[in-house]
Amino acid sequence: KNEVEQSPQNLTAQEGEFITINCSYSVGISALHWLQQHPGGGIVSLFMLSSGKKKHGRLIATINIQEKHSSLHITASHPRDSAVYICAVRRGAQKLVFGQGTRLTINP
Amino acid sequence: EPEVTQTPSHQVTQMGQEVILRCVPISNHLYFYWYRQILGQKVEFLVSFYNNEISEKSEIFDDQFSVERPDGSNFTLKIRSTKLEDSAMYFCASSQISGANVLTFGAGSRLTVL
Repeated sequence: KNEVEQSPQNLTAQEGEFITINCSYSVGISALHWLQQHPGGGIVSLFMLSSGKKKHGRLIATINIQEKHSSLHITASHPRDSAVYICAVRRGAQKLVFGQGTRLTINP
Repeated sequence: EPEVTQTPSHQVTQMGQEVILRCVPISNHLYFYWYRQILGQKVEFLVSFYNNEISEKSEIFDDQFSVERPDGSNFTLKIRSTKLEDSAMYFCASSQISGANVLTFGAGSRLTVL
């Protein structure tokens, strides 16, 4: 069983829809990262969370440490949000363990 | 905005050859990392580096791999004798403090081993 599981694996939605991507993990962590991987392969860090909720523009990330679960929400989705969204948890001092990613496609 | 720069963007090599992938982290960052992503698979942690030494490494990072900060700006990943299964995208990243901080990733170096 993977230490980090994301759902759904693929998500297609229409422009303007509210998007939720989920991440569950099975181990103790000290922090959780949400990353965005563009079609060209580049990775951008979106959030780093250890508790509660963070918001940046149309993106919101939440984490529930007790339930070992995090969600990434996108409000008013746009075609430029189309990317792979990756959840990664920090284990040990530096090591990140990555989920398999959620491929999001927003159609105009 | 400061960037992490990786070279080369793509390298093709023959099995058994040595490869060096180069990274220039953000200048005031103190922690440096290498990750790899085999095509179609998830990203995997290879190694972290702080204060001129390895601070953590994964089981993937065996004796074939080494890292170095030769001149205070470059951070290199060397693969001594490449195997077919080393074909992957290799990402360098850096952070200002420990891994609890936000990471900045480079654009990646695609390695193809023939």
